Amino acid sequence: QKEVEQNSGPLSVPEGAIASLNCTYSDRVSQSFFWYRQYSGKSPELIMSIYSNGDKEDGRFTAQLNKASQYVSLLIRDSQPSDSATYLCAVNSGGYQKVTFGTGTKLQVIP
Amino acid sequence: DGGITQSPKYLFRKEGQNVTLSCEQNLNHDAMYWYRQDPGQGLRLIYYSQIVNDFQKGDIAEGYSVSREKKESFPLTVTSAQKNPTAFYLCASKGGQARNTDTQYFGPGTRLTVL
Repeated sequence: QKEVEQNSGPLSVPEGAIASLNCTYSDRVSQSFFWYRQYSGKSPELIMSIYSNGDKEDGRFTAQLNKASQYVSLLIRDSQPSDSATYLCAVNSGGYQKVTFGTGTKLQVIP
Repeated sequence: DGGITQSPKYLFRKEGQNVTLSCEQNLNHDAMYWYRQDPGQGLRLIYYSQIVNDFQKGDIAEGYSVSREKKESFPLTVTSAQKNPTAFYLCASKGGQARNTDTQYFGPGTRLTVL
């Protein structure tokens, strides 16, 4: 059973729409949650981290965490073609080793 | 500029050859990591190090070796025992375990191809 699950996509949205990316995790003691963006052939870059239940907003990005339901999501408002990338969800269950990455959701923003 | 550097960007290996991938960081981070990424797959942990002169195996350590002689450097050797080494290799570092210091930051990666 995968520890961090994401729909591989592709998720296609028109330019200007809201893109919603979801991630579920299995370890209930998970403490830290991260969203990374990875362009093709490049390394992951951090978009946001979230630690507490609720929403966290940063510009066009909003991360949502629900520990009771064990899911974390990322909303991208006013999606742009430059947002087209693979989005990785990462979960830290504590300690230096236990960061688990999902396989990523590919987002395509159609002009 | 603070960051993580990896070299080379592209590396070609012949069968039976050992190769070493470089990773250097000037972020003063204690922890460093090596991941492997294959097409359509997530990141898989090869080795990690919390402090100098100490490192631990990750999920797929067989066929790989590392050293941590300096805080800034964490080189990865892909040995001939690694039967399928063609992949994208990512080095990362992290400052600590507390909130807002437990984020992993990645280097630009090395793409290794076996000829």
